[in-house]
Amino acid sequence: DTAVSQTPKYLVTQMGNDKSIKCEQNLGHDTMYWYKQDSKKFLKIMFSYNNKELIINETVPNRFSPKSPDKAHLNLHINSLELGDSAVYFCASSQGQRTDTDTQYFGPGTRLTVL
Amino acid sequence: GQSLEQPSEVTAVEGAIVQINCTYQTSGFYGLSWYQQHDGGAPTFLSYNGLDGLEETGRFSSFLSRSDSYGYLLLQELQMKDSASYFCVASGSGNTGKLIFGQGTTLQVKP
Repeated sequence: DTAVSQTPKYLVTQMGNDKSIKCEQNLGHDTMYWYKQDSKKFLKIMFSYNNKELIINETVPNRFSPKSPDKAHLNLHINSLELGDSAVYFCASSQGQRTDTDTQYFGPGTRLTVL
Repeated sequence: GQSLEQPSEVTAVEGAIVQINCTYQTSGFYGLSWYQQHDGGAPTFLSYNGLDGLEETGRFSSFLSRSDSYGYLLLQELQMKDSASYFCVASGSGNTGKLIFGQGTTLQVKP
């Protein structure tokens, strides 16, 4: 029944490792997003996809690579993890890309801790 | 640059009214949203203002003045469950889904 789900909920790993976070939405939405929330609760958009096409690509290190196998899924792969990557990563989805009519629904978040 | 300013913390008592102000400076501004986030939870949408004026949704109201680059969220009849962080969010770069979040205001409701 969960609208936007993410796995895993918690991820603890060593510096230098490669990890992936998965996101799935069952709302039938066309647009999906990845956000990063740091320890000060600052929430910043990283990427957005519309129907598997990359729309928003903020200034994010190229160690971060999103992949959208279909419009219901948007995964985030992170290479060579660094301490500064520790944060909560939220996936979100919306029907379309319009911010005036298309509410974004957030997943429960993945807390990534890099040791 | 793009920035939003809101108070970091607000405290109020149950049953009271509280107003959280937000000023913004964003390119391609399209509208202002408010999101609520409980500790450990996901941000959830509360309201959107695309035009100047007041939008009311139950106990919550939100206001926008484009000429002043200013908005606020008004919470009435505060309940303990309203204790959360509230984010002022600007739609930047036009109507493209790009949301720019403020730093958030932590609201603590006391009995």
